[in-house]
Amino acid sequence: GENVEQHPSTLSVQEGDSAVIKCTYSDSASNYFPWYKQELGKRPQLIIDIRSNVGEKKDQRIAVTLNKTAKHFSLHITETQPEDSAVYFCAATPYNQGGKLIFGQGTELSVKP
Amino acid sequence: NAGVTQTPKFQVLKTGQSMTLQCAQDMNHEYMSWYRQDPGMGLRLIHYSVGAGITDQGEVPNGYNVSRSTTEDFPLRLLSAAPSQTSVYFCASAERGARGEQFFGPGTRLTVL
Repeated sequence: GENVEQHPSTLSVQEGDSAVIKCTYSDSASNYFPWYKQELGKRPQLIIDIRSNVGEKKDQRIAVTLNKTAKHFSLHITETQPEDSAVYFCAATPYNQGGKLIFGQGTELSVKP
Repeated sequence: NAGVTQTPKFQVLKTGQSMTLQCAQDMNHEYMSWYRQDPGMGLRLIHYSVGAGITDQGEVPNGYNVSRSTTEDFPLRLLSAAPSQTSVYFCASAERGARGEQFFGPGTRLTVL
């Protein structure tokens, strides 16, 4: 089955700096890669996602890149703000197993003012 | 439109007791899943369902049972609670044919003594 590894487990940056979180996956059949943000005591919420036929996707300060050959994908947050502080999770799933997301272990991002 | 709802929010059990965590969604989503979240381990898939009457095991199914008699409801049963099942449980749903975006419920915090 699918296995997703996520690094780093914790990340501390100064406000305004960029943050990068990396994930690798094992199942070449996986073709949908979402990123979730979870604030303390809250449920995970989707922030951006990418499909396997796309190499990069951007939404304002957030971007995701995908390298299918190497089986890794990354989340990039630019101009970080204190409200970006949260735990971020990557995940992977094949299309035809909709709902069956396999998550990475999470990255706790701290943005210091 | 309530989205994904879960009850109860908190529960304390003694070892050996059984209970059912309730999950319901009003978005007519075909896919539903249960995850558990433990510190440092991300979200791990317990069971999932691709439609009424169809369920399958995820990464950590032992000690849990599910059924899906209707599209709306997907209860999770703990047959004989163990301290290792102390965790936060999230239910999620996704639309068939969509990219796999899952919507999470608010979670149930379970403590087994």
